[in-house]
Amino acid sequence: KNEVEQSPQNLTAQEGEFITINCSYSVGISALHWLQQHPGGGIVSLFMLSSGKKKHGRLIATINIQEKHSSLHITASHPRDSAVYICAVGNRDDKIIFGKGTRLHILP
Amino acid sequence: KAGVTQTPRYLIKTRGQQVTLSCSPISGHRSVSWYQQTPGQGLQFLFEYFSETQRNKGNFPGRFSGRQFSNSRSEMNVSTLELGDSALYLCASSTALRAREFNEQFFGPGTRLTVL
Repeated sequence: KNEVEQSPQNLTAQEGEFITINCSYSVGISALHWLQQHPGGGIVSLFMLSSGKKKHGRLIATINIQEKHSSLHITASHPRDSAVYICAVGNRDDKIIFGKGTRLHILP
Repeated sequence: KAGVTQTPRYLIKTRGQQVTLSCSPISGHRSVSWYQQTPGQGLQFLFEYFSETQRNKGNFPGRFSGRQFSNSRSEMNVSTLELGDSALYLCASSTALRAREFNEQFFGPGTRLTVL
């Protein structure tokens, strides 16, 4: 079993829909990150969370430390949100462990 | 401010050869991390350097090595290339001291290595 599991693996939605991507982890962590990767490889760090909730524009990230679970939400999704979203955790041994990613495709 | 640059962007090698990839971090960033991304395994952490010292290493064989120079530029080397080393190699720079202080990593565009 992977230490970081993301779901769904692939998601296709219509423009305007509310999107939720989930990340569950089985290790003790110091922080959790959400990354966005566009075609061509470029990766952008979206959020770093150690507790609670963060919001940036139409993106919201939450984490529940007790349940070892995080969600990334996109409100009013747009075709430019189409990308791979990757959850990564920093564990207490200073290792970074990545989920396999969720490929999101927003249709116009 | 210039972003993270990686050279070369594309590389084709044959099995048994060795390769050196270069990463120039954002000015003022002293931490450089390297990652391997393959379709099967996704992103995997290779190593992390801070002020010329390797702070952290992932679970890769000894064929994978790296170093960081006094100007924070970093190189990684893969010796005796195998087909499975074909991947996108990404480097990221940060002001963070350690992986657990993973505040914001700025990623380069990657080097796509193909091993034939």
